[in-house]
Amino acid sequence: GENVEQHPSTLSVQEGDSAVIKCTYSDSASNYFPWYKQELGKRPQLIIDIRSNVGEKKDQRIAVTLNKTAKHFSLHITETQPEDSAVYFCAAREVEYGNKLVFGAGTILRVKS
Amino acid sequence: DVKVTQSSRYLVKRTGEKVFLECVQDMDHENMFWYRQDPGLGLRLIYFSYDVKMKEKGDIPEGYSVSREKKERFSLILESASTNQTSMYLCASSFGVAEQYFGPGTRLTVT
Repeated sequence: GENVEQHPSTLSVQEGDSAVIKCTYSDSASNYFPWYKQELGKRPQLIIDIRSNVGEKKDQRIAVTLNKTAKHFSLHITETQPEDSAVYFCAAREVEYGNKLVFGAGTILRVKS
Repeated sequence: DVKVTQSSRYLVKRTGEKVFLECVQDMDHENMFWYRQDPGLGLRLIYFSYDVKMKEKGDIPEGYSVSREKKERFSLILESASTNQTSMYLCASSFGVAEQYFGPGTRLTVT
């Protein structure tokens, strides 16, 4: 089955700096890669996703890149702000099981002001 | 707005009790999921369902069962609760290969 590894587990950046979180996946058939943000005490919410037919997607200060050959994808946050502090999860669709997602272990992002 | 609700935010049960966690969504989503969230382990899938009365095992189904009698409702059952099932339980729903909408979570403590 699919396996997703996420790095780093914790990341501290200064406000205004960029943050990058990387994930690798094992199943070359995976075709959908979402990123979720979970603020303290709240539910995970989708912030951006990418499908395997594109290499990059942007939404204001966040972007996701996908390298299908290397089987990895990354989340990029530019001009970080204190409200970006949260746990971020990447995920990959396990194609064999329809709409099942396999999640990474999460990255705790702290933005210091 | 999609709404996914869970029956309890906090629950304390004793070892050996049968525990029911209920999830309801109001967007006619065919897919529903139960996850367990533990620090450093991310979101691990327990069971999921893609239609009424259908269920599939996730990555950690041992000690759990599920029921989906109606499209909007997906129940997670701990047949005999154990202390290692103390965790945060999150329900989610989705339509097709798309965003999963999560409920607020149930923090279960088994003593």
